[in-house]
Amino acid sequence: DQQVKQNSPSLSVQEGRISILNCDYTNSMFDYFLWYKKYPAEGPTFLISISSIKDKNEDGRFTVFLNKSAKHLSLHIVPSQPGDSAVYFCAASAGQGAQKLVFGQGTRLTINP
Amino acid sequence: GAVVSQHPSWVICKSGTSVKIECRSLDFQATTMFWYRQFPKKSLMLMATSNEGSKATYEQGVEKDKFLINHASLTLSTLTVTSAHPEDSSFYICSARLGTKNIQYFGAGTRLSVL
Repeated sequence: DQQVKQNSPSLSVQEGRISILNCDYTNSMFDYFLWYKKYPAEGPTFLISISSIKDKNEDGRFTVFLNKSAKHLSLHIVPSQPGDSAVYFCAASAGQGAQKLVFGQGTRLTINP
Repeated sequence: GAVVSQHPSWVICKSGTSVKIECRSLDFQATTMFWYRQFPKKSLMLMATSNEGSKATYEQGVEKDKFLINHASLTLSTLTVTSAHPEDSSFYICSARLGTKNIQYFGAGTRLSVL
């Protein structure tokens, strides 16, 4: 049972344009969501998070949007840079004090010069 | 801040031997650490939650006698793969939780190859 889904295994975007990565979830108890970036043979790096009490959180070039009714979140990267090429994972957790994160399958983002 | 160090980054061992992987939080104390396994082109699979001073909590399907976890201090958790077999070959990643928010910071991972 895949509770967090990233339906696009890959995405290719031109440098300077906006990259939009999508994530859907099924568990209505999830109330905290995170995005991680991962390079090959390295551990994931935390990018940005959002609580379910918000619908948007912005940090520099990265913005995460949350649509609770649709159980959908997205990560926008603008402008996209070659260094953004990596695999992006969304993750979710449920409940205050929750510890476990449930990860999606990941989306490989390639930024073309 | 929030640096997690994992060692070794790569290990090759013979079938039947045991391998220990260390995970350290360098600039913060972590009462809770996590061990994941990642198969090629797959997501991160949580193996167990490591709690300082108590027994680890294993996910369903993970053999606790095969994957021994010790969290003896607030900055160190170890994963020992006992009697390793080729099917244990994988990428193992640890993480540590910082503060009250459920943000986990990850180590660089360990590539284990069992011959």
